[in-house]
Amino acid sequence: EVQLVESGGRMVRPGGSLRLSCAASGFTFNDYGMSWVRQAPGKGLEWVSGTNWNGRSSTYADSVKGRFTISRDNAKNSLYLQMNSLRAEDTALYYCAREPLDGSGHYYFVYWGQGTLVTVSS
Amino acid sequence: SYVLTQPPSVSVAPGQTARITCGGNNIGARRVHWYQQKPGQAPVLVVYDDRDRPSGIPDRFSASNSANTATLTINRVEAGDEADYYCQVWDSSSDHRVFGGGTQLTVL
Repeated sequence: EVQLVESGGRMVRPGGSLRLSCAASGFTFNDYGMSWVRQAPGKGLEWVSGTNWNGRSSTYADSVKGRFTISRDNAKNSLYLQMNSLRAEDTALYYCAREPLDGSGHYYFVYWGQGTLVTVSS
Repeated sequence: SYVLTQPPSVSVAPGQTARITCGGNNIGARRVHWYQQKPGQAPVLVVYDDRDRPSGIPDRFSASNSANTATLTINRVEAGDEADYYCQVWDSSSDHRVFGGGTQLTVL
């Protein structure tokens, strides 16, 4: 059974930093591209960042580019999101999500975690 | 960046057909995916690649994509279909994944 379990969310002050983690199990982690998707309270889904199977190709939404860094450790079956210079508008539930097989040419999210909540407030 | 436009809300009576649209410039040339999200739950993929359904998704859910509009159709709507629905595409020029703003489906 595919499982994605996020952790690391908490309240942080504006300008602060936070590192989110996503532990994956039930599939061969290094065969798949992974993404972070967030949802502000009462708002819609926003794709944040994605990375390919080996972490050497990553992309970012304009809203977080230069502040967030996505990475992965295939030996630990884990995905990460380093979040710096946090702003109030980064407050959201952050989901880890898996795409189809890397290289398949398909870019959608079959599996999602339950999310970890990040609150940016003074 | 590529923009997807969805109506904020759609209402339908039980047993009727709901249609949720997703507009985008020449969206017909892209693969569109649809998600269902119920309150307090993670999104669930209901349609991928314009019209394919993952296993476990009832055939009451179907979709189409042409020109500047993609459409998710839910036949014989049930109370349990009440949820937010999101369309999503991949923007090849930026390698970004893009979501529509979401549509709240209300079953009257």
